[in-house]
Amino acid sequence: SQQGEEDPQALSIQEGENATMNCSYKTSINNLQWYRQNSGRGLVHLILIRSNEREKHSGRLRVTLDTSKKSSSLLITASRAADTASYFCATARNYGGSQGNLIFGKGTKLSVKP
Amino acid sequence: EAQVTQNPRYLITVTGKKLTVTCSQNMNHEYMSWYRQDPGLGLRQIYYSMNVEVTDKGDVPEGYKVSRKEKRNFPLILESPSPNQTSLYFCASSFQIAGVKTGELFFGEGSRLTVL
Repeated sequence: SQQGEEDPQALSIQEGENATMNCSYKTSINNLQWYRQNSGRGLVHLILIRSNEREKHSGRLRVTLDTSKKSSSLLITASRAADTASYFCATARNYGGSQGNLIFGKGTKLSVKP
Repeated sequence: EAQVTQNPRYLITVTGKKLTVTCSQNMNHEYMSWYRQDPGLGLRQIYYSMNVEVTDKGDVPEGYKVSRKEKRNFPLILESPSPNQTSLYFCASSFQIAGVKTGELFFGEGSRLTVL
């Protein structure tokens, strides 16, 4: 069963605007990761946030984690056409069966129009 | 260069003809995993491996087999492929911390399989 669910499924914005994607998950985790996929290509790791962290930045990316709500958000500021891609969150369970195994959500398809 | 290599990248085959998709990583990673990606369904995990000789089923293991005899290789075997296994397949690997904390996943470029 899928651990993480991204929201929205699709997002279309103009260049220069900010894009926010959300991820909700079900069980206790030890980390949450965000990935990007250009059409038909392999996924590329963007950022990892640990369960004891609340916010993390990397360039134009800002990730937040709220373990009490079991949710995370990915913010891309000042978006560019080149940011057009699908974005996925992945979580690893903190205990129990399949501990450490990474499970992906269905992704958010972001389209940034020039 | 650190990489995950999958072969073949593209394959068209017929129902029932056994095939193997190879996956090799050169980063000495403990964790390896296979996913399939289908439109509207995201990435679904087929099998994963926490280390040599340790494999476990993911969400959609039916019709697939794997083995992990060496750390670097994690082949995906379709004993008798069927049309519903037509998909885009990804192999990925990662280091593990204390055996349970999985770090950044490195993905291969994908193998597009068509079963007629």
